[in-house]
Amino acid sequence: NAGVTQTPKFRILKIGQSMTLQCTQDMNHNYMYWYRQDPGMGLKLIYYSVGAGITDKGEVPNGYNVSRSTTEDFPLRLELAAPSQTSVYFCASNIRVGPQHFGDGTRLSIL
Amino acid sequence: TQLLKQSPQFLSIQEGENLTVYCNSSSVFSSLQWYRQEPGEGPVLLVTVVTGGEVKKLKRLTFQFGDARKDSSLHITAAQTGDTGLYLCAGGSRTSYDKVIFGPGTSLSVIP
Repeated sequence: NAGVTQTPKFRILKIGQSMTLQCTQDMNHNYMYWYRQDPGMGLKLIYYSVGAGITDKGEVPNGYNVSRSTTEDFPLRLELAAPSQTSVYFCASNIRVGPQHFGDGTRLSIL
Repeated sequence: TQLLKQSPQFLSIQEGENLTVYCNSSSVFSSLQWYRQEPGEGPVLLVTVVTGGEVKKLKRLTFQFGDARKDSSLHITAAQTGDTGLYLCAGGSRTSYDKVIFGPGTSLSVIP
C-alpha cells in the first residue's frame, strides 16, 4: 500500500542551490498537488495538476516549478533556494472532489 | 479570497475530557473536510461534510457543518491519548473543484 511517496524525507540546502523534490503515486489519480506547511499557517498550495501535461499555479508559486510528464509523477523544482523556502513540503493526490491522499512530507532547511 | 479560521490554536486536556474545535469562514463552501495530522506524517482525512446542517459521527468524534455552510465543528467525547495531533479543516471551493483551502489547524494534546 504505497499511496503517495515523497523523497527525500529531509534535506539541507545552501542559499542559491537547486533541488528537485520527488513525488509519485500508485493510485492512478489524475489530480496532484504540492503544498508547503509552515508553523501556524496551515497548508498553502504551491502548484497543482489535473492530469499529465497540465499544471497550474496555486496560492504561493513564486520560486518553484513543476512538471507532469506522467500520471504517477509530479516533481517540484526549486531553482535558487532562499531561506524563505524553509518549510515542510507535502505532495497529495486525489480523484476530482475526492479526499486528498498525502505523502509523509519533505523537511527542507535552507541555510 | 476565501479564508478559514480555526480555534483554538492550541488545546491541552486530560484524558477522558470532552472538547470542541471550530472552523469558521466568511465564505460559503461546497464541502468541508476534516483531517488529522500526526507528527512526521501527512494529513489523513477523517470526514467530508457537504450538506448544510449535516452531522456525521465517527466513533467518539462528531462533526457538524453549519446551516449556511460557512462553519464547522468537531467534538471529541472522552478524549484519548491517541487523539493527539493537528486537526485541519479544509473547505471545498464553490468556483473551483480542483482546490481546497486549508485552515491553520488546532494542535490537540491529550495528557494521560
